This record gives sequence, C-alpha cells and structure tokens, in this order.
Amino acid sequence: GAVVSQHPSRVICKSGTSVKIECRSLDFQATTMFWYRQFPKQSLMLMATSNEGSKATYEQGVEKDKFLINHASLTLSTLTVTSAHPEDSSFYICSARGTKFYNEQFFGPGTRLTVL
Amino acid sequence: GQNIDQPTEMTATEGAIVQINCTYQTSGFNGLFWYQQHAGEAPTFLSYNVLDGLEEKGRFSSFLSRSKGYSYLLLKELQMKDSASYLCAVVNQGGKLIFGQGTELSVKP
Repeated sequence: GAVVSQHPSRVICKSGTSVKIECRSLDFQATTMFWYRQFPKQSLMLMATSNEGSKATYEQGVEKDKFLINHASLTLSTLTVTSAHPEDSSFYICSARGTKFYNEQFFGPGTRLTVL
Repeated sequence: GQNIDQPTEMTATEGAIVQINCTYQTSGFNGLFWYQQHAGEAPTFLSYNVLDGLEEKGRFSSFLSRSKGYSYLLLKELQMKDSASYLCAVVNQGGKLIFGQGTELSVKP
C-alpha cells in the first residue's frame, strides 16, 4: 500500500513553454501533498504544500505564479511550471500524506525536467 | 532558523560497518526520518525515530537523542548496492519534512 505515482517521469521542453506534472496517490487518500525540487548533488527542497480543495502554501522564495499547484481531489495534485527557463531544469518530486500516520510522507518516483 | 547537518561524503569497504551522523536544529520536532536515495530516483524510507533510543531493522539501525539534537544511521555488513545518498530529515512543528543535504556513501570492494 501507499503508492504514489508521477507523470511524466521525464520531460524535455523549450524555453518559454509550460509543463504540467501529475502526482497521484494510487491506493490511499492524500489529504496533503508536497512538492519538492532537487538540483544535482543537493538535497530535496520543499517548494509548496497543498491540501485538497484549498490553495497551496508556498515556501519562501518560490514564485506561486510560476509554479501553479492544483490539488483538486484526494488522489491528485498537479504542478505546472509556467514559462519554463533553463534554470528550472531540475528533479521534481511529490509526496503524499494520508490520514493514518500523520508524519509519514510517501514519495513519488520523481520527474526529470530539462528546459532547453 | 532550521538546520540539519550531515557529512557530505563517506567511503567504506564491503562487509564493514558505517555510521552516518546527523545533527539538527529545527522549529519543533515531530520525528526524524532516514531515507536512501539512488541517483535519479525518489527517496525510499529506511527508518523513523520519535523517541530516544535505537531502532533496529535488519542491517540498518537508527539512533536518536532529542536532548542532543542528534541521530545516526548505522549500516552493517555493507554491500555494494548500499552505495547511495542517505538523507536525514526532521518533521518540524508544522508537519513539514526538513532535509539535510544528504551523505553520499561509496562502498568499495
């Protein structure tokens, strides 16, 4: 149990385009989902926290108009990188938290974004 | 501020034991996780400590001292496949996971 999927696993796009990444909890209801970004040789940095049906809470320094997060249901959250630039190239990982064990997050497999 | 420190790199020999330390200062404490991460993959859960003491799980053990803001991950009988990055992460009072920079472990034959 507690499987989280992400789609796509890898995406290459041109500068200026928008990219949408989906995060799904497959066998549990995720009241909260988290989006992280990881640059090479660095650790995971939390970008935002989203609760189903409400607006996402962004961490300091993360532009909410550039990284649009929608958590429309208890099993799906999406991250849209708008007007992507090469510096947005990174590994984006989502995680989901259910209701059984408040502190544990289950991670998706990640999405490698490359902006040319 | 919030700070989690762990060594950047470690090297050990196959079959040996290695201890990866983690010290933390966070706004509140609701538990500490250790994750393993291979390059290009998501972190995978190794252990969770919320009370002081040692948690043993096969070849992996994790220790926590809340008064010292300190944890370690102990890996026994090292195998080549244990070469990976090991992430220490603390759940703060807001329920957020705060990650250390990760320790890159290289296991040599």
